[in-house]
Amino acid sequence: DTAVSQTPKYLVTQMGNDKSIKCEQNLGHDTMYWYKQDSKKFLKIMFSYNNKELIINETVPNRFSPKSPDKAHLNLHINSLELGDSAVYFCASGRGGVGKNIQYFGAGTRLSVL
Amino acid sequence: KNEVEQSPQNLTAQEGEFITINCSYSVGISALHWLQQHPGGGIVSLFMLSSGKKKHGRLIATINIQEKHSSLHITASHPRDSAVYICAVVWGADGLTFGKGTHLIIQP
Repeated sequence: DTAVSQTPKYLVTQMGNDKSIKCEQNLGHDTMYWYKQDSKKFLKIMFSYNNKELIINETVPNRFSPKSPDKAHLNLHINSLELGDSAVYFCASGRGGVGKNIQYFGAGTRLSVL
Repeated sequence: KNEVEQSPQNLTAQEGEFITINCSYSVGISALHWLQQHPGGGIVSLFMLSSGKKKHGRLIATINIQEKHSSLHITASHPRDSAVYICAVVWGADGLTFGKGTHLIIQP
């Protein structure tokens, strides 16, 4: 069983559309993350979610919203997609607060906005 | 804000060589992570350090908190070690900042 799974693996869409990426972890972790990796392979944290506390990177546009129906899921919803949103998005999970323990990463979702 | 610098950006070495990748940061931290990103894109956590040294197989990670510096060493390097190695620092209440990565190629 995959520890952290995210779907879809690839997402191609038009500018202006709304899309969601799903993430599920079966490790019993209490902290989940979303990261963005740009075309230069630079990773940046977007959100972390720990025991219903959402910590947002202030540079993330409010078109991005994480939604956590339960501790095992943290989905990423993106409104009004823009060309600059094209990137690989990684979900991860770990124990404790932000960066407090080893993280397990999903395989990534490659988003292409046309 | 924590500035994280990795060096070198790119490194090509021959199989068997001893490899060192460096990470320095500007603000005091509570922990530092080393990650490996495979050519296929998958990311794996290698180490989390808050002091001293950790070893796992041929990989060794060290950190000097006073000098704000960490190193990742690979002994007896192998072509399968070819990957991007990324350090990430944990600081403040919930800060997490990544370095730009070191692209390592080990030639047979």
